[in-house]
Amino acid sequence: QQQVKQSPQSLIVQKGGISIINCAYENTAFDYFPWYQQFPGKGPALLIAIRPDVSEKKEGRFTISFNKSAKQFSLHIMDSQPGDSATYFCAASNRETSGSRLTFGEGTQLTVNP
Amino acid sequence: DGGITQSPKYLFRKEGQNVTLSCEQNLNHDAMYWYRQDPGQGLRLIYYSQIVNDFQKGDIAEGYSVSREKKESFPLTVTSAQKNPTAFYLCASKRQWFSGNTIYFGEGSWLTVV
Repeated sequence: QQQVKQSPQSLIVQKGGISIINCAYENTAFDYFPWYQQFPGKGPALLIAIRPDVSEKKEGRFTISFNKSAKQFSLHIMDSQPGDSATYFCAASNRETSGSRLTFGEGTQLTVNP
Repeated sequence: DGGITQSPKYLFRKEGQNVTLSCEQNLNHDAMYWYRQDPGQGLRLIYYSQIVNDFQKGDIAEGYSVSREKKESFPLTVTSAQKNPTAFYLCASKRQWFSGNTIYFGEGSWLTVV
């Protein structure tokens, strides 16, 4: 299975709060898990990525938590700001198959209220 | 500046017409990809190319065609056989298909059937 399931579909958070987006995958051959941020009318941009040999990666206010046994990973945005309002996509790939193409989740529309 | 340029930004297609979306990159990347984005469905892979003069079908290739005659160019043709072409189309590239490097996206092209 190549699917990546993402939840929630939409999320509203108050300024300063924590935003949490979850993803689950089925293909145990996936070895690269990025998160992309997309603003309206723009292409997605890489936010942060993790490989399955670590359980957590933090870059500024953004943290990926990875649970290999559960085949789940999540994005945490600490101290959420109105400028974080965007659509977030999780993705997964396997470098050895199919051109290392990314399989994307359905996306989460995040709104951070001031 | 290095990057991926997609054109046109907005395109209108009449029923029965073929249209071509341009994608040019000056990043010296080997791999290039075309994704389609519909609301609530994430990004779906149309075609990808690992190297010049080679390309592979993705998950939703029916009604689309591509060519890869030059390393920097990967145009997508939406043919009249594509029954529901109205969508946001994203071109992307990666330095080498087999590596874990970041996939970079262009700004996208909106295609509307009139």
